[in-house]
Amino acid sequence: AQSVSQHNHHVILSEAASLELGCNYSYGGTVNLFWYVQYPGQHLQLLLKYFSGDPLVKGIKGFEAEFIKSKFSFNLRKPSVQWSDTAEYFCAVTLSVGGKLIFGQGTELSVKP
Amino acid sequence: DSGVTQTPKHLITATGQRVTLRCSPRSGDLSVYWYQQSLDQGLQFLIQYYNGEERAKGNILERFSAQQFPDLHSELNLSSLELGDSALYFCASSPSNLVNEQFFGPGTRLTVL
Repeated sequence: AQSVSQHNHHVILSEAASLELGCNYSYGGTVNLFWYVQYPGQHLQLLLKYFSGDPLVKGIKGFEAEFIKSKFSFNLRKPSVQWSDTAEYFCAVTLSVGGKLIFGQGTELSVKP
Repeated sequence: DSGVTQTPKHLITATGQRVTLRCSPRSGDLSVYWYQQSLDQGLQFLIQYYNGEERAKGNILERFSAQQFPDLHSELNLSSLELGDSALYFCASSPSNLVNEQFFGPGTRLTVL
């Protein structure tokens, strides 16, 4: 079955540190890739998405992600985190247009001021 | 605010009971998706409706059912509730079956005692 793996369950960083959250998926065909963020007590919000084209995708709030097809990866990066980035981050894929989202387990990010 | 609304925000009930969760999609969105978020299972897709018809089914228990009404709002019915059904239930919507981006509601937190 198709699955999404996020390598880190909990990441703790100090403000201004760089962030990289790993995401790998298991599916050999065409996928559409997403990163969602869930701030404490809030709903899921889309950070960025990749459908096709430039594998380096820029999203909101200074986040970016790189799709590496050969590694089945879609890692999320941010050069300098802020305390307000404290949240849970979910990587997700869809296997077809308009299809269900398959989520990773989530990575909780805590940023210390 | 994603434009997707869910009611109620919180629901506390007893084992064996039946509850109905309601979702109103963004204006103009035809697709509605239901997801369950629990500590042990993470975020799991339950079911999708498109313009009133069931489009895809995920890990949805037989005790659970859903429907989408002519005005496009959707209801998720959970019956014979068990302790393990305690979770956050999210609804998401998208404009059509041809668009990948899903917009999430704030969720309904169900507690089964």
